[in-house]
Amino acid sequence: KAGVTQTPRYLIKTRGQQVTLSCSPISGHRSVSWYQQTPGQGLQFLFEYFSETQRNKGNFPGRFSGRQFSNSRSEMNVSTLELGDSALYLCASSRTGTSSGEQYFGPGTRLTVT
Amino acid sequence: LAKTTQPISMDSYEGQEVNITCSHNNIATNDYITWYQQFPSQGPRFIIQGYKTKVTNEVASLFIPADRKSSTLSLPRVSLSDTAVYYCLVSPYNNNDMRFGAGTRLTVKP
Repeated sequence: KAGVTQTPRYLIKTRGQQVTLSCSPISGHRSVSWYQQTPGQGLQFLFEYFSETQRNKGNFPGRFSGRQFSNSRSEMNVSTLELGDSALYLCASSRTGTSSGEQYFGPGTRLTVT
Repeated sequence: LAKTTQPISMDSYEGQEVNITCSHNNIATNDYITWYQQFPSQGPRFIIQGYKTKVTNEVASLFIPADRKSSTLSLPRVSLSDTAVYYCLVSPYNNNDMRFGAGTRLTVKP
């Protein structure tokens, strides 16, 4: 079956702009989580959505937001971009959203802020 | 959430068995232990998950002692393609907030 897909794969934005990233989970998976990965901070959890509701949130400013649609697809938005937002943004889906089930990660969106 | 400690890097040779140990002294009763593998510019890939004792699948084994304060990922007969970063995570059953540590960079040499 198809894996987790993320679009776009690469993005270049300017400071102050906003960006929207998209994630399509594996069919049947209701949980989508978002992570930011940078060389300095490693993989950091942003938030998790389950059945269109944000269930968990990491320690990121309010500029980072997300939502999930009824078909489980999810979008992540970053407003007022800063240079430090340059990172690989990964989304992961799982069937139940509990850690008793494994997460499947997408290939990521590489965001560069100039 | 329990903090995990892993070696920053390890080297091995093709055909050898590799054991990567992760410390999680503050693990809670309802925490599971999960290991992921990540190649450059790719998302992490699930390897194995366990709660206690030993779990084995087609790619790895996970050993968890009775006190659950550590766990060891065992990769049998590694190949060059196993060169990657390996992450140990500890998280509660009902919480998908998985805190990734720095991971262990495994380099397999010919």
